[in-house]
Amino acid sequence: AQKVTQAQTEISVVEKEDVTLDCVYETRDTTYYLFWYKQPPSGELVFLIRRNSFDEQNEISGRYSWNFQKSTSSFNFTITASQVVDSAVYFCALSEANQGAQKLVFGQGTRLTINP
Amino acid sequence: GAGVSQTPSNKVTEKGKYVELRCDPISGHTALYWYRQSLGQGPEFLIYFQGTGAADDSGLPNDRFFAVRPEGSVSTLKIQRTERGDSAVYLCASSRSGNQETQYFGPGTRLLVL
Repeated sequence: AQKVTQAQTEISVVEKEDVTLDCVYETRDTTYYLFWYKQPPSGELVFLIRRNSFDEQNEISGRYSWNFQKSTSSFNFTITASQVVDSAVYFCALSEANQGAQKLVFGQGTRLTINP
Repeated sequence: GAGVSQTPSNKVTEKGKYVELRCDPISGHTALYWYRQSLGQGPEFLIYFQGTGAADDSGLPNDRFFAVRPEGSVSTLKIQRTERGDSAVYLCASSRSGNQETQYFGPGTRLLVL
């Protein structure tokens, strides 16, 4: 069965600090996809990244970076030099490629607050 | 181009009533998904359409919930005999195809059952 765990319910940091959001997943499939979405106060889920299970290269996009480690089933997200606009709830999600369902299984989310 | 749109943005109804929630996917996207998000939780899958057909409805909680997509574009989620526990944000997403493509979400419909 698929499962995504985001153990950090809430994180609060001061602006310009670096912050890492943890994501641990469980799956029996060898082929799967991992995602991160941002949900700002407006409520709309905003896509950030999609990574397949065969690509363990870390990715950097501006102040955002992702560390994918199959050995520990983790897909962590780091924001460097955080800004107030980064305040949101962040969700990690998993999709198993071998199932016909295509559904995303989400974690509980981490509420990130960046204080000025 | 336009993103996924959902109407209404808010819906208040009384217990026992029938409601319809509409989703208009990104133009050209063949796959459409419905999720439900309760307060403080991550979204939970309800149903997935590929074209006009429901390819997976395993997430629908019971037979009061039903969804259609008659022309392979707009979809309607229908809830009969609403219960207070149905109160949640109902999110719609679409993707270009169903092959684990990125799902793009709409703003959601906030349903409150009194």
